[in-house]
Amino acid sequence: AQSVTQLGSHVSVSEGALVLLRCNYSSSVPPYLFWYVQYPNQGLQLLLKYTTGATLVKGINGFEAEFKKSETSFHLTKPSAQMSDAAEYFCAVSKNTGNQFYFGTGTSLTVIP
Amino acid sequence: GAGVSQSPRYKVAKRGQDVALRCDPISGHVSLFWYQQALGQGPEFLTYFQNEAQLDKSGLPSDRFFAERPEGSVSTLKIQRTQQEDSAVYLCASSLGWGQTNYGYTFGSGTRLTVV
Repeated sequence: AQSVTQLGSHVSVSEGALVLLRCNYSSSVPPYLFWYVQYPNQGLQLLLKYTTGATLVKGINGFEAEFKKSETSFHLTKPSAQMSDAAEYFCAVSKNTGNQFYFGTGTSLTVIP
Repeated sequence: GAGVSQSPRYKVAKRGQDVALRCDPISGHVSLFWYQQALGQGPEFLTYFQNEAQLDKSGLPSDRFFAERPEGSVSTLKIQRTQQEDSAVYLCASSLGWGQTNYGYTFGSGTRLTVV
């Protein structure tokens, strides 16, 4: 079975500060891992994904995430928050042969000027 | 089109009413998916089509829900005898690939269904 836990439903950071959004997963098979962002009244947009290979994955808008198998984690980071980063962020897992995502409950990011 | 289009954007239904939600995927996309996103939750898988074939409907919550994609393009999610617990945002996604999650999905903006 696959599942995702996102710690912290709301995170606030100051503009220019480090962004850290936490994600832990459970998977019975080697997983694929994803981070999606959702702006108000818009669809989900892929930020980055891990499938195989390098465990540090870089995505769009300066975000990156590191797959740590021993910790079953896939935390999302960005060195310097921008006002435009304010949105809802979802971590997701899937089987490596799967056709469906299992999403976490999301983390709402607020950026304080 | 340039993206996945869903209509209507908002739907208010009285309890017991039937509703139909439409999804226009990106032209040429083979795979189409429906997800349900309840308030404060992450999206949950409902069903998956590959062209016109519904290959997985394991996520449909009850027999009041059914989906179709008769010509392998536009899809409709129908909910019969709506109940308050059906209130959610219904997201559609399409993919050029054969459904694998690593291939790249494009999500629509969703239809927000409110059952009163």
